[in-house]
Amino acid sequence: DIQMTQSPSSLSASVGDRVTVSCRSSQSIGTYLNWYQQKPGEAPKLLIYAASFLQSAVPSRFSGSGSETDFTLTISGLQPEDFATYYCQQTYNAPRTTFGQGTRLEIK
Amino acid sequence: QVQLQESGPGLVKPSETLSLTCAVSGYSINSAYYWGWVRQPPRKDLEWIATISHSGSAYYNPSLRSRVTISLDTSRNQFSLRVNSVTAADTALYYCAREVQKEVAQFDSWGQGTLVTVSS
Repeated sequence: DIQMTQSPSSLSASVGDRVTVSCRSSQSIGTYLNWYQQKPGEAPKLLIYAASFLQSAVPSRFSGSGSETDFTLTISGLQPEDFATYYCQQTYNAPRTTFGQGTRLEIK
Repeated sequence: QVQLQESGPGLVKPSETLSLTCAVSGYSINSAYYWGWVRQPPRKDLEWIATISHSGSAYYNPSLRSRVTISLDTSRNQFSLRVNSVTAADTALYYCAREVQKEVAQFDSWGQGTLVTVSS
């Protein structure tokens, strides 16, 4: 199985900050990497697919980069509604898939 | 716009079978795409359970394969999940989702989730 490891597991930031979340895969997965945002009491929401493509209607302050084993989600100019948990997901062997353990973004 | 809605028993006794259904509206599930189940134990992370193609090919998480069955009901435009021999570790919020292929596979639409508690 392909294991996904996110870092940090949690982080505190302020409105307006630029934050980055990292995701590392246990083997090379090209750009078969998606990012989701989950708010309390809600289902996950797709933000970024194929490592760097912004999902429709997602604000442009979200961006993704990386390939092979190392990936980054960046939020430029944090907004109050961005405080949530973020998950990466590999779909290299889709439909078989695995998620990272999540990164909780909290207000400082 | 596609919408997904899970339904389930809420409470299941240990060793019994859990049955969940995902009703899909706004899209015919036998037209295309894949349809999956993901669960989230309380205060824990997302775990993929199983996915089924529009033509009925099923794929399972190896760690759950022996206890899980996913199926399509095209006449009702819904798909289902059965988990046998449940334990407290199966207590979770269960989500159904649509998997599309756009550059790569991704879950682009999700249900709101249904909470299942395993307890006697």
